[in-house]
Amino acid sequence: GAVVSQHPSWVICKSGTSVKIECRSLDFQATTMFWYRQFPKQSLMLMATSNEGSKATYEQGVEKDKFLINHASLTLSTLTVTSAHPEDSSFYICSASVPSGGLYNEQFFGPGTRLTVL
Amino acid sequence: SQKIEQNSEALNIQEGKTATLTCNYTNYSPAYLQWYRQDPGRGPVFLLLIRENEKEKRKERLKVTFDTTLKQSLFHITASQPADSATYLCALDMSNDMRFGAGTRLTVKP
Repeated sequence: GAVVSQHPSWVICKSGTSVKIECRSLDFQATTMFWYRQFPKQSLMLMATSNEGSKATYEQGVEKDKFLINHASLTLSTLTVTSAHPEDSSFYICSASVPSGGLYNEQFFGPGTRLTVL
Repeated sequence: SQKIEQNSEALNIQEGKTATLTCNYTNYSPAYLQWYRQDPGRGPVFLLLIRENEKEKRKERLKVTFDTTLKQSLFHITASQPADSATYLCALDMSNDMRFGAGTRLTVKP
């Protein structure tokens, strides 16, 4: 199956700094990438959907100026958490979507990035 | 608004038994539903997809049912093993993206 990688796998930063998380599709071109956030013992919450070459679509309640998404190529999307605060500490997961030729687009998930803001 | 509920936060069963997990949804009619496995600190891994016109889907020891009248999907693991211990998430398609349930943490005891 298709492989999606994330970098870094974990990061610890000081409050007020910015952190960039990369999501790459390693062996396929992803038309769409999704960014999720997951708090402990909770489900994945969709933050935004990004299509290569266009602006990301953010879910209600997600600040687009705080969570900057850049989908510059068909294999790379980045999420930058700007001016991070402790409440931004979470597990961030990306997924990449590929048309399967049928009714649905298959999604492949990255391994996640654990962000801890001190 | 749409709601996705997975029956319980945690389920403990004995090795060899069948685990049954439930996913209920409201205010939506998804064209398909998916089940994922998630291990601690890892991203979800796709297991099975079932379409709205399919009643049942099987894959090895896994079986999924989809009742669009009840708005419910059941996920079964037969002959469960300790290695099956993980959190299982159901996900519904919402046009161009997916929405996940909170998950059920399954523990299979030897």
